[in-house]
Amino acid sequence: GAVVSQHPSRVICKSGTSVKIECRSLDFQATTMFWYRQFPKQSLMLMATSNEGSKATYEQGVEKDKFLINHASLTLSTLTVTSAHPEDSSFYICSARSGQHNSPLHFGNGTRLTVT
Amino acid sequence: SQKIEQNSEALNIQEGKTATLTCNYTNYSPAYLQWYRQDPGRGPVFLLLIRENEKEKRKERLKVTFDTTLKQSLFHITASQPADSATYLCCPSGGTSYGKLTFGQGTILTVHP
Repeated sequence: GAVVSQHPSRVICKSGTSVKIECRSLDFQATTMFWYRQFPKQSLMLMATSNEGSKATYEQGVEKDKFLINHASLTLSTLTVTSAHPEDSSFYICSARSGQHNSPLHFGNGTRLTVT
Repeated sequence: SQKIEQNSEALNIQEGKTATLTCNYTNYSPAYLQWYRQDPGRGPVFLLLIRENEKEKRKERLKVTFDTTLKQSLFHITASQPADSATYLCCPSGGTSYGKLTFGQGTILTVHP
């Protein structure tokens, strides 16, 4: 079945540094990828939607200059958290879809980011 | 604004019983309703998708209904097992959701042996 690989699974970084998270669809072409953030015991919060080759669409309240999303190919999207702060510590999850609205999402296993 | 509500943050049932989870949405008309399962520290896993013109869909011990008049979907797990314990998320999609994929807050299901 469709597999999405997200890397790294855990990362600890110091305040002020940047962290890049990769999301790859291993056996299908992802026309659309979504990035979510999840706080403990809360649901997924959609951060942005990206289509291959075009700029990401960010949700209201998500700073596009802080959370840089690149979807350069049909199998790879990256999220870069720039100038990270402790409040950016969270669980970030990517998902990918190969078709339209009736296609299910395939999720990565998330990245636990801790900013010290 | 679009809103998704899943009933009861937590649901506890005995093994063998049927678990029923509810998903209500307001201010939009999705063409599909998807259900996912999420285990702690993992990404969600797709379970079932039901279309607006389908009343019911089944997959093994799972059953989903979709009532576009009530703007509600029900998710049933029959003959529940402790291994069914997880968080279940609903996600209306398509239609007037305009491609956005947002999730309900989830229901934490615990099946006790």
